[in-house]
This record gives sequence, C-alpha cells and structure tokens, in this order.
Amino acid sequence: DTEVTQTPKHLVMGMTNKKSLKCEQHMGHRAMYWYKQKAKKPPELMFVYSYEKLSINESVPSRFSPECPNSSLLNLHLHALQPEDSALYLCASSPPSTSLFHEQYFGPGTRLTVT
Amino acid sequence: QKEVEQNSGPLSVPEGAIASLNCTYSDRVSQSFFWYRQYSGKSPELIMSIYSNGDKEDGRFTAQLNKASQYVSLLIRDSQPSDSATYLCAETNTGNQFYFGTGTSLTVIP
Repeated sequence: DTEVTQTPKHLVMGMTNKKSLKCEQHMGHRAMYWYKQKAKKPPELMFVYSYEKLSINESVPSRFSPECPNSSLLNLHLHALQPEDSALYLCASSPPSTSLFHEQYFGPGTRLTVT
Repeated sequence: QKEVEQNSGPLSVPEGAIASLNCTYSDRVSQSFFWYRQYSGKSPELIMSIYSNGDKEDGRFTAQLNKASQYVSLLIRDSQPSDSATYLCAETNTGNQFYFGTGTSLTVIP
C-alpha cells in the first residue's frame, strides 16, 4: 500500500456541528501532518505528529483538535467552525528521517464547507 | 521577507520546450528542498527532492540546487500539456521548520 487515504472526500457542516476528518497510511511512515489550503494559496501547516506524539501545533484555533490513535491513523476533530474555515484539508505522511520534515506524501484531501 | 520566494507566473511554454521554474530562499540553514506539482483541485504530488549542491535528474525533470546563491530550480524538458499545473517548491531547515513557496502556475501550450 503506497498511498495516503482521506475520508470523507467532501464535507458540509454547520457552525454548531461536530465532525471528524480521517487520514490513514500503511507505508510505515512515522510522521503525519495536517494542512489547510485555500484556493490559489500554498498549503498551510497546522499540526505535525512524530511517532504518534504532537510535535508542532502552528497556533491553530482550539476548534480544530488533532488525534493520532496509532502510527497509521490521524484524525482531525472539528467543532464550532466558522465559514472562513472552509478549505481543502490535506493530510500527509513522511518516512522516518532525522528531519521532522522529509519527503511528504499527500492524501487527496477533504473539501470542507462550513455553512 | 518570505522564507521561500517563487515567481508566481503564470508561465507559459510551448509543447516540447524546456520549462524553468525558480525558487529563492532566505534561510542559510536550509537543509532539504522539494518540488511538488499540484493539479487544479488535487493535492500536491512530490516530484523531486534535492539535498546537496548540483543537479539531480529524474526522467524529464532536473532539480538544481545552489546553496551559495540560495536558489533551487526545476527544469522540465520536453514539456507536455499534462505538465500544466502549479509547482510548489518547499524547504526545511535544521531547526525543523518547513516552508512552501507561493507556487508557480505553468501552462504548456499544445
């Protein structure tokens, strides 16, 4: 298995909803990442997990809550989002390396719309 | 000053030509460099990584790194319409920081 999968592909949620995004990889990668990408902008780093521990939180609002239950799975829990949070949410993973940021392989993303 | 600067383009080249994409960076402790391709509505796809000065070739793609001048480039030989996409350069440094450039939009005209 040489890919990163993300579910759901599309998500529409109201501002009072709670939802979760899921990311999975079975490549033995030990670093996993969440990015947010707005149209015509580069991805913005949100969180980094290394060996299942949160290594980086880029001052992301608490309405986004990451979770790494095991080395293959990464979740992003969403609660009380705002319309400006509508974006493409990308998950990536990276093989073991001395650097926290090595070659990253991206999943297809979840297109989130907050109404 | 942004950590990673790219010419946002758009860049247009005729089919069969060489497309040259450039990226400059300001961080002197930059360690590794990556080129990603992103088709419209899709996720980024890793094309090349380069860690040391010089050229690295993979098929029609050549990455060039010059640490003294702080630039990294990507050459695409024999450009095809399917190469039309946004190309993102990225760098990471010894401080475990990671930066994407703003991306360059490439159009290959048949």
